[in-house]
Amino acid sequence: DAKTTQPPSMDCAEGRAANLPCNHSTISGNEYVYWYRQIHSQGPQYIIHGLKNNETNEMASLIITEDRKSSTLILPHATLRDTAVYYCIVRVAHSGAGSYQLTFGKGTKLSVIP
Amino acid sequence: GAVVSQHPSWVICKSGTSVKIECRSLDFQATTMFWYRQFPKQSLMLMATSNEGSKATYEQGVEKDKFLINHASLTLSTLTVTSAHPEDSSFYICSARIKNTEAFFGQGTRLTVV
Repeated sequence: DAKTTQPPSMDCAEGRAANLPCNHSTISGNEYVYWYRQIHSQGPQYIIHGLKNNETNEMASLIITEDRKSSTLILPHATLRDTAVYYCIVRVAHSGAGSYQLTFGKGTKLSVIP
Repeated sequence: GAVVSQHPSWVICKSGTSVKIECRSLDFQATTMFWYRQFPKQSLMLMATSNEGSKATYEQGVEKDKFLINHASLTLSTLTVTSAHPEDSSFYICSARIKNTEAFFGQGTRLTVV
C-alpha cells in the first residue's frame, strides 16, 4: 500500500472549517484513500473514503486532487468533539474477503480550540 | 455505521495469567476481523487478521502461541493473551468488515498486567 504523509498536529478554531491535508504521492490507480479518526482512549471511527471523485457525507468532505497524489479532509464546522487524531490511509482495492488491511501511520492530532 | 463491540473495556490481571477479549459485530456478519495493539502515544499496530472458520494470519513479530485468536462465527472473534506479562499491557482494538467494505472498530480494551 502507498505511504501517506500528514502533519503531526493542527489547531482549528471552534466553528471554523478544519482542513486536514494528506500526501500520497506513490498512490496507484486502484488504491482508495480512507480517513479514520481516533478520539482519546477509543477505537478508530470511520469517516469517509474515495477513489477519484470528491466525496461528502454527514461527517466530512474528501477532496482528492486530479493527479490523486494528495487529498484533504474537510470538517466544515469543527466542534470541540472533533478533537482527535486523524488518520489518512491508502489501501489497494481487491476483490474477495480478507483481501486488504489498514495500515495506520502517525496521523494528525487535531485540536479544536474554543 | 455498523457497530463493533469489545468486551471487556478494561481488565487488570496478574502476571502469568491469561486474558480473553471478545469482539462482536452487532448488526452485521463480518467476513474478516482484525486485531490491533496500541501502546501509549503510538499508532495502531496490526497484530493479526482472521477470517471466519480459518486460522488467523499473524503479522511478523507477533507470537501466535501467545496471542490466540479464534474466529468461530461471523459475529465473534476472541483474542486470548496467554501467560500475560507487564510488557503485554496495552490497548487492544478489534475491527470487523464485510468483504471489501470499510472496516469498523471496537471501542478497545485496556489491558494492564500487574
